[in-house]
Amino acid sequence: SQQGEEDPQALSIQEGENATMNCSYKTSINNLQWYRQNSGRGLVHLILIRSNEREKHSGRLRVTLDTSKKSSSLLITASRAADTASYFCATDDTGGFKTIFGAGTRLFVKA
Amino acid sequence: NAGVTQTPKFRVLKTGQSMTLLCAQDMNHEYMYWYRQDPGMGLRLIHYSVGEGTTAKGEVPDGYNVSRLKKQNFLLGLESAAPSQTSVYFCASSPRDTQYFGPGTRLTVL
Repeated sequence: SQQGEEDPQALSIQEGENATMNCSYKTSINNLQWYRQNSGRGLVHLILIRSNEREKHSGRLRVTLDTSKKSSSLLITASRAADTASYFCATDDTGGFKTIFGAGTRLFVKA
Repeated sequence: NAGVTQTPKFRVLKTGQSMTLLCAQDMNHEYMYWYRQDPGMGLRLIHYSVGEGTTAKGEVPDGYNVSRLKKQNFLLGLESAAPSQTSVYFCASSPRDTQYFGPGTRLTVL
């Protein structure tokens, strides 16, 4: 089955710096989503980008999608300690209704 | 709105015992999902439902059963728990693409 794979597995930065996470997937998709998970909590949806879109913004978040390379990136600008969490990319199953999640990137923002 | 709720939050079982996890959503979403999350492995789909009365297998369905008798509820059953089923279980609902997650159930099987 197709799967998003995040890179890096873990990232540690200083508050105020930008954080970039990457996601690669294997097969064609209709859309790609990014979710955040704070420790011990459920996932929270951040942003969805469709296969015919190349870039999308939401507040301090910027997502890009390159369908030719089967990859996406999530940029968090001017990071804050509250951004400390795990970030997951998720791709849909074009043949059905399933969403496949990657293993996630653990982001730690030091105050 | 409560969103997606899960019952119970924590549970400890002995090998061979059975239990049911309850997921409820008040957003009138058609689609509902059960995932398990193990350290370093992200979320793996167990079963899902695209509407009341329907269920389908995900990536890791063995050892689990589900039912969706009412649109707002999605039940996950373990008939004979095994230590390999120790995990955190998340339920999610969706109107189509975006999923809304519950807080999770931490299950330990001894």
